[in-house]
Amino acid sequence: EAGVTQSPTHLIKTRGQQATLRCSPISGHTSVYWYQQALGLGLQFLLWYDEGEERNRGNFPPRFSGRQFPNYSSELNVNALELEDSALYLCASSEGQGRFAGGYTFGSGTRLTVV
Amino acid sequence: LAKTTQPISMDSYEGQEVNITCSHNNIATNDYITWYQQFPSQGPRFIIQGYKTKVTNEVASLFIPADRKSSTLSLPRVSLSDTAVYYCLVGYSSASKIIFGSGTRLSIRP
Repeated sequence: EAGVTQSPTHLIKTRGQQATLRCSPISGHTSVYWYQQALGLGLQFLLWYDEGEERNRGNFPPRFSGRQFPNYSSELNVNALELEDSALYLCASSEGQGRFAGGYTFGSGTRLTVV
Repeated sequence: LAKTTQPISMDSYEGQEVNITCSHNNIATNDYITWYQQFPSQGPRFIIQGYKTKVTNEVASLFIPADRKSSTLSLPRVSLSDTAVYYCLVGYSSASKIIFGSGTRLSIRP
């Protein structure tokens, strides 16, 4: 069974540009979560999507946005990139309703570097 | 929100048993306790999850006392490849209610 896949693996952008990150959940999982992990730090919750709807978002500015497609894959968009947006962006998926019981399965992440 | 407290770092040697304790004083009735392992530049990997008493799988055991205000992850006979950051998480519903702390950086020496 394929795990959570993220693309691209690495992304280099210039300050002020936009970045688009993609995530495909495990087959049968309808919830997708996005996390930001700055170098050497813990994971910060960004967004949660379930059944195509944004269910919750963390304490991030509106320039962080995303969507979930009918096939449950998801996209994270970061507009007007700033240097401090440089981080590992992790996607996780779980069975529906965002239930943590059973745990989340994480992808390997996209390393975004803003120069 | 259920906050967890765990040691910042631990050191051990190959072949030893390692126990990492996590405190979660305000755990809610429905909350599960889950441990993840993370290697540099990789996503966290699910290790084990439990609700009460003891859970064991092929890689670890999780001990949860009756009051559930703490839990202990036990890694038997560690190897160099167990060097990683270990996160203790408490939660039931919604990623937004689950806090990833700084984790415990475990270093295994030969």
